Amino acid sequence: AQSVTQPDIHITVSEGASLELRCNYSYGATPYLFWYVQSPGQGLQLLLKYFSGDTLVQGIKGFEAEFKRSQSSFNLRKPSVHWSDAAEYFCAVGPGGGNKLTFGTGTQLKVEL
Amino acid sequence: ETGVTQTPRHLVMGMTNKKSLKCEQHLGHNAMYWYKQSAKKPLELMFVYSLEERVENNSVPSRFSPECPNSSHLFLHLHTLQPEDSALYLCASSQENRGDYTFGSGTRLTVV
Repeated sequence: AQSVTQPDIHITVSEGASLELRCNYSYGATPYLFWYVQSPGQGLQLLLKYFSGDTLVQGIKGFEAEFKRSQSSFNLRKPSVHWSDAAEYFCAVGPGGGNKLTFGTGTQLKVEL
Repeated sequence: ETGVTQTPRHLVMGMTNKKSLKCEQHLGHNAMYWYKQSAKKPLELMFVYSLEERVENNSVPSRFSPECPNSSHLFLHLHTLQPEDSALYLCASSQENRGDYTFGSGTRLTVV
């Protein structure tokens, strides 16, 4: 069965600092991997996705993520965080060619001014 | 405007009530989903509809009844709910066999 672990429940960074959110997955084959962001009172918005090819993927809002098969990881990064990035971030994994996504428990990001 | 619209945004219902949640998408997607989001728990996949047929039901209690009359609309009919059913219910859509979902803003349900 597929699963996702986001080991950090809460992270606080200063505005302008770099950010890395961790995601580890368990899946038997090559997975589809996603990062979503959720602002308070809203649904989830897709930040970026990895299906195949280049293991470093670029997303919206200046985010990027790197797929590392050897570590079963798909960490999200941003070089300089803005106050508006404060939100909850979810990593998700799905089977290639399938519909069912499994989400992690999320990481709540707080940005200090 | 996300392309996926959920109504109502907030709902308070008693345990003996019957209500329905509505989801509508105008993205031309052919798969739709219901997820339950509770505090401190992962998103729980409840139902998947693909090409208007239910293809997944994740052991959801029968007090939740989905309906997908066409590829643009999805309903979740609720009856005799329990307080532990209070949560944010999220609808999403995608193209068949692609995981890049578009989510609605959700319905915040409170069962009293």
